[in-house]
Amino acid sequence: TQLLEQSPQFLSIQEGENLTVYCNSSSVFSSLQWYRQEPGEGPVLLVTVVTGGEVKKLKRLTFQFGDARKDSSLHITAAQPGDTGLYLCAGAFSGAGSYQLTFGKGTKLSVIP
Amino acid sequence: DAGVIQSPRHEVTEMGQEVTLRCKPISGHNSLFWYRQTMMRGLELLIYFNNNVPIDDSGMPEDRFSAKMPNASFSTLKIQPSEPRDSAVYFCASSLGLIYNEQFFGPGTRLTVL
Repeated sequence: TQLLEQSPQFLSIQEGENLTVYCNSSSVFSSLQWYRQEPGEGPVLLVTVVTGGEVKKLKRLTFQFGDARKDSSLHITAAQPGDTGLYLCAGAFSGAGSYQLTFGKGTKLSVIP
Repeated sequence: DAGVIQSPRHEVTEMGQEVTLRCKPISGHNSLFWYRQTMMRGLELLIYFNNNVPIDDSGMPEDRFSAKMPNASFSTLKIQPSEPRDSAVYFCASSLGLIYNEQFFGPGTRLTVL
């Protein structure tokens, strides 16, 4: 079973601050996805990264996939209360007709107005 | 535009009872996933289907758990008999294909086994 470790587990910051959360594994992924989950709801996809070294931006969110495709980071600039939620990374492993998606336990972010 | 629909949203039952969770995927999606989420273990993939066929059920914790997908628009996850340690939020997700595709999650069923 491939394991994904996310850090920090909890993060509480003031509105306007910048932050970075991390997702690490000892395994190589075919692709990696970031999801955000709000209380009482299912996760919602933010981005999928596929190529080692890839950087994707989504407004104030910047996602980076490690060169070796074993790790990823999410950077939020000028955090807002609407960014509050559980951020989950999910690594996909595929090949030989099989597919497996493993989720990290997430980083719970609170942005205080 | 309906997303993934799950029912019930909340279920409280007593140990030993049978529990059936239901899912209607997004129309046109050919892959369906069942997950379980707890504080301790996070989000775990239990089983997934492709074109109504179970592909990998290695995440199903025990024989007490079973899942079916009789047609493209309906799936069930059954626990029989239920135990307190089964208490969790169970999510169903669907996608158009498997590789690199976005999974759309339902709102989840919060199961409490007393």
